[in-house]
Amino acid sequence: DTEVTQTPKHLVMGMTNKKSLKCEQHMGHRAMYWYKQKAKKPPELMFVYSYEKLSINESVPSRFSPECPNSSLLNLHLHALQPEDSALYLCASSQGRVEGHEQYFGPGTRLTVT
Amino acid sequence: DAKTTQPTSMDCAEGRAANLPCNHSTISGNEYVYWYRQIHSQGPQYIIHGLKNNETNEMASLIITEDRKSSTLILPHATLRDTAVYYCIVKGRAAGNKLTFGGGTRVLVKP
Repeated sequence: DTEVTQTPKHLVMGMTNKKSLKCEQHMGHRAMYWYKQKAKKPPELMFVYSYEKLSINESVPSRFSPECPNSSLLNLHLHALQPEDSALYLCASSQGRVEGHEQYFGPGTRLTVT
Repeated sequence: DAKTTQPTSMDCAEGRAANLPCNHSTISGNEYVYWYRQIHSQGPQYIIHGLKNNETNEMASLIITEDRKSSTLILPHATLRDTAVYYCIVKGRAAGNKLTFGGGTRVLVKP
């Protein structure tokens, strides 16, 4: 199984809502990632979890709150988002070794903030 | 990590080899060259990576020049399903788990 799954596929939320994005992998990977991708732009890294601990936070606003309940699951909790946060949110995982590893990406959650 | 330069776009003929160039003139000795692609409305997909030697897998070949300042991704027989944005990324140990995507090359395979 080389699949990273993300739910939901699409999400529309108001600026006062609280919602969560979910990501799951069963490849035994110990590193998991959240990326944000605006239209016609490359993906931008938001967070990295390594061995279930947050290792990289790319100065992401606190209205985005990541959580890694176990080595297979990664959540992104959303609260008080702005319309400019509308984007494709991508989850990825990798073996966690520093060199020579590839990242496996999920299909993404397309988020619209109204 | 070293910066990469790729053409913004290119067209390829179906069934022909597609050669995608990438310039990374400031690459350092311990930095790898990675290639990913992103088909429309999907997540990026890993293609191949290399350090010094040329590499080949079931998807593509990676040719790295002897001075390592540039590389070429070769899709041997392009199909319409290879239409995607192709990203060349240079990453070393200092970057840890961090992948930094540049603008990439938008490849259109035409019948």
